[in-house]
Amino acid sequence: QVQLVESGGGVVQPGRSLRLSCAGSGFTFRNYGIHWVRQVPGKGLEWVAVFWSDGHTTYYADSLKGRFTLSRDNYRNMVYLEMSSLTAEDTAVYYCARDDDPTTHYSQFAFWGQGTLVTVSS
Amino acid sequence: QSALTQPASVSGSPGQSITISCTGTTSDVGSYNYVSWYQQHPGKAPKLIIFDVSNRPSGISNRFSGSKSGNTAYLTISGLRTEDEADYYCSSFTSTRTLLFGGGTKLTVL
Repeated sequence: QVQLVESGGGVVQPGRSLRLSCAGSGFTFRNYGIHWVRQVPGKGLEWVAVFWSDGHTTYYADSLKGRFTLSRDNYRNMVYLEMSSLTAEDTAVYYCARDDDPTTHYSQFAFWGQGTLVTVSS
Repeated sequence: QSALTQPASVSGSPGQSITISCTGTTSDVGSYNYVSWYQQHPGKAPKLIIFDVSNRPSGISNRFSGSKSGNTAYLTISGLRTEDEADYYCSSFTSTRTLLFGGGTKLTVL
């Protein structure tokens, strides 16, 4: 069955960096766009970024100001989110989600991981 | 870009119908039929219930329906059930190839 598993969360000091991983299984990973969505505990969803299935196209939320970078390894079925210059405002549960929209309009997040909590605190 | 606008809360009684609105701009909801709705229960990942304005994924009850008029999309839940009590989020593709979510609506089934 389709599974997405996030890892790499934890407590990190302000100003430091952290890399999150999203591992996919049960499907042909290279055929799907993978998104990251975050949620501050008790608050709403915020789209973070996407790595398209073409293997090289990425888009990021404007609010991130270039601090986050995606990478993808289709051999290992992984997508990575490198986060730098972290602040308390980056504290959230980070989900990865598979985009089932073949037209690349981000409209079908049919499968989600369980999320990984990132806490930015000194 | 600001989040799409949703009411913070709605409520209804079992068996009734409710509608949640999701207002954007001509750069997102108003220009694209790529509006989705997600249901999220506490402690769980979001679940897709409507995509492309009005389409239901396989396995989603036909009690859930979606529509759009201008810059506003709507989610209607008919025949409310206690298990429908959850947070609901809309999302829309944007002209800059990013995605916007709504602020979320808490549905209470009285």
